[in-house]
Amino acid sequence: AQSVAQPEDQVNVAEGNPLTVKCTYSVSGNPYLFWYVQYPNRGLQFLLKYITGDNLVKGSYGFEAEFNKSQTSFHLKKPSALVSDSALYFCAVRPYGGSQGNLIFGKGTKLSVKP
Amino acid sequence: DAMVIQNPRYQVTQFGKPVTLSCSQTLNHNVMYWYQQKSSQAPKLLFHYYDKDFNNEADTPDNFQSRRPNTSFCFLDIRSPGLGDAAMYLCATSRGVSGRANEQFFGPGTRLTVL
Repeated sequence: AQSVAQPEDQVNVAEGNPLTVKCTYSVSGNPYLFWYVQYPNRGLQFLLKYITGDNLVKGSYGFEAEFNKSQTSFHLKKPSALVSDSALYFCAVRPYGGSQGNLIFGKGTKLSVKP
Repeated sequence: DAMVIQNPRYQVTQFGKPVTLSCSQTLNHNVMYWYQQKSSQAPKLLFHYYDKDFNNEADTPDNFQSRRPNTSFCFLDIRSPGLGDAAMYLCATSRGVSGRANEQFFGPGTRLTVL
């Protein structure tokens, strides 16, 4: 079965420190990978995506993610966390050639950045 | 600004009383999606429209229906809401369903409460 795993329910980081939110996937073929952020009682906001090309993808608000095909991972990173980065982060994958429009989401990781 | 709009942001209904949630978009996208997101869970795709073509996910209950009268609007109808249908309902759009066209843009969501 195709799936996305976010192994950490919550990540706690001090402001100014680097942060990593982990994501691994299991799909057939070459996937398209996405990160979304969700603030309380809000919809999902797109952060970044990997389709093809450079494995290091830069996105909104200083976030970046690295696609690692051998480890089937797409971890989200930021060099210096802000308190305002505290939110729920979802990794999603669309299998290449997969069913129309279907995004498979991970269960989400709550990021908490303390001052 | 081009965007995805959901009304209302908060909806309260009674057990068994039909309810309709609304989504509109100014992006002129071909595809519109409805997701259900229960507390602390990943969004789950209910169905999507590609233009006028309706695509239902296999495990979407019959209680959920959708209408797309034109390109801009899409409605989610819940015929007889149960307590288990209380959730955040997210609308999303994309230009297409394959490749780069599948990048999905989300609305702010409607939080449904069933009393």
